[in-house]
Amino acid sequence: QQPVQSPQAVILREGEDAVINCSSSKALYSVHWYRQKHGEAPVFLMILLKGGEQKGHDKISASFNEKKQQSSLYLTASQLSYSGTYFCGTVGSSNTGKLIFGQGTTLQVKP
Amino acid sequence: GAVVSQHPSRVICKSGTSVKIECRSLDFQATTMFWYRQFPKQSLMLMATSNEGSKATYEQGVEKDKFLINHASLTLSTLTVTSAHPEDSSFYICSAQTPGQGLYEQYFGPGTRLTVT
Repeated sequence: QQPVQSPQAVILREGEDAVINCSSSKALYSVHWYRQKHGEAPVFLMILLKGGEQKGHDKISASFNEKKQQSSLYLTASQLSYSGTYFCGTVGSSNTGKLIFGQGTTLQVKP
Repeated sequence: GAVVSQHPSRVICKSGTSVKIECRSLDFQATTMFWYRQFPKQSLMLMATSNEGSKATYEQGVEKDKFLINHASLTLSTLTVTSAHPEDSSFYICSAQTPGQGLYEQYFGPGTRLTVT
């Protein structure tokens, strides 16, 4: 039931791009993306609803393919501040609002 | 907007004692609050769902008598770890949910680091 994220870890140089994927075996209502820095709570990035929408702000965007039950987070021209662990959280099609988190993807951006 | 606070941020207690953690939504009313536990380098594990004025719903494997949750108002939920043991040491995080437009955005508190000696 826990969504699967890939890759588990990414190391980038500043300015490079990255894609983090989130895949579920169950039908989804929405996908939520969070970034967590060490010792801190997760910070909300965005929500995507079923319907295949895309969203983005600044240089971080995401897509949700409802049919494949997959979401991808795109980080372009990465900055040092992007470093952290990214979690996707999924809400099932019954839309109870309960989030189930993936195992996380650790992103390290180097100068 | 959408600020959630948690208190305390860190607590050290002796084995066998109880610890209460507060979670407050500061600038909005949260119909639902969630409690998570996170072990080092692991994901967030949902422990329970808390709705104002009703009993909390616990996830499978979470002892309801050990982790007491009280959702006293639309802005306050508390988690009490009773008779704490070293294995209860963890990072406890709450989140508050706004159901606006059916999106169910969750905003997380800063977390509480519990160490049981």
